[in-house]
Amino acid sequence: KNEVEQSPQNLTAQEGEFITINCSYSVGISALHWLQQHPGGGIVSLFMLSSGKKKHGRLIATINIQEKHSSLHITASHPRDSAVYICAVRSRIAGNMLTFGGGTRLMVKP
Amino acid sequence: EAQVTQNPRYLITVTGKKLTVTCSQNMNHEYMSWYRQDPGLGLRQIYYSMNVEVTDKGDVPEGYKVSRKEKRNFPLILESPSPNQTSLYFCASSFVGGTANQPQHFGDGTRLSIL
Repeated sequence: KNEVEQSPQNLTAQEGEFITINCSYSVGISALHWLQQHPGGGIVSLFMLSSGKKKHGRLIATINIQEKHSSLHITASHPRDSAVYICAVRSRIAGNMLTFGGGTRLMVKP
Repeated sequence: EAQVTQNPRYLITVTGKKLTVTCSQNMNHEYMSWYRQDPGLGLRQIYYSMNVEVTDKGDVPEGYKVSRKEKRNFPLILESPSPNQTSLYFCASSFVGGTANQPQHFGDGTRLSIL
């Protein structure tokens, strides 16, 4: 069983829809990262969370440490949000290693 | 401009021919890391460094070497490349804050093909 599971693997939405991507993990963590990988391949760090909730523009990330679960929400989605979204965790017992989820491929249609 | 620079961006080479992928950052970050990305396997960490002269293995270190002689540079060395090291490689860096967890800045990636 992977330590980090994301769902869904693929998601197609219409422009303007509210989108939720989920990340579940099985180990105690010190932090969780959300990354965005554009179709061209470049990776951008969106959020780093250790508790609670963070917001940046139309993006919101939440984490529930007790339930070992995080969500990334996109409000008023736009075609330029089309990308692969990747969750990564830093395990408390694995030092400073990062373990990645398999990614969620999002396509937003106009 | 704050950035992580990887070179080369693309390389096709042959089995056994030593190669080095360079990574340089201009943000005075302590933490640097190398990842590889493969279809169906996602991103996996190869090696990371918490500061100069401090390096540690990640998930998939076999066949790779790294060094951190200067804060800004973290080269990835393939002493004897093999076809299973054909992959897309990313270098990343970040500060090491009080929680040792800071957002990472990624390079543009290096696509390696080993024949």
